[in-house]
Amino acid sequence: QVQLQVSGPGLVKPSQTLSLTCTVSGGSISSGDSYWSWIRQTPGKGLEWIGYISYSGSTDYNPSLKSRVTMSVDTSKNQFSLKLTSVTAADTAVFYCARANSRKWLSMDVWGQGTTVTVSS
Amino acid sequence: EIVLTQSPGSLSLSPGERATLSCRASQSVNSAYLAWYQQKPGQAPRLLIYGASFRATGIPDRFRGSGSGPDFTLTISRVEPEDFAVYYCQQYASSPWTFGQGTKVEI
Repeated sequence: QVQLQVSGPGLVKPSQTLSLTCTVSGGSISSGDSYWSWIRQTPGKGLEWIGYISYSGSTDYNPSLKSRVTMSVDTSKNQFSLKLTSVTAADTAVFYCARANSRKWLSMDVWGQGTTVTVSS
Repeated sequence: EIVLTQSPGSLSLSPGERATLSCRASQSVNSAYLAWYQQKPGQAPRLLIYGASFRATGIPDRFRGSGSGPDFTLTISRVEPEDFAVYYCQQYASSPWTFGQGTKVEI
């Protein structure tokens, strides 16, 4: 059974880059039916999809964040990562990684536990 | 971007009652690409329904999804104590994928 675990700093300074990694266990990140996603949640804006990356590296980003987002995948470590540049307090959120499963028409059927990232000096 | 509007914002029920949650899209959404999630405090969302009406693995049959086009519904036939949570609809028909603002089902 696939499980996801998010890791990364819980505190990032304004204008710096937020970096998170999601480790996939119980399955291969190279599965062709999976799209590895990032979602964030804030009290004000609710759940916001950030984007996804496939094992081959193809991506789709939310246009609202596209200029600041980079996702990457490391198949050797069974991990995928998120970088969000030039962060501000508005980027403070709980960040989740999730698997979008093409066998369930890209619904997100496995989620990591979430990690709170605070942007503050 | 497709905007999903959920109603009501909150729903007060007693165990055993029926819950009906609505999700309306700002434009027509292929029902294959509509999902419902349940989120409890301090937890990640959990997939309940995908393809508008297919229950995810392990989801009890008291949860039923229905609808098409712009209007979708999640029904909980008889609410159990563990069902008190926030429910979100989500579309993945077109990018950017979007979520509704949530319906809180509370006692």
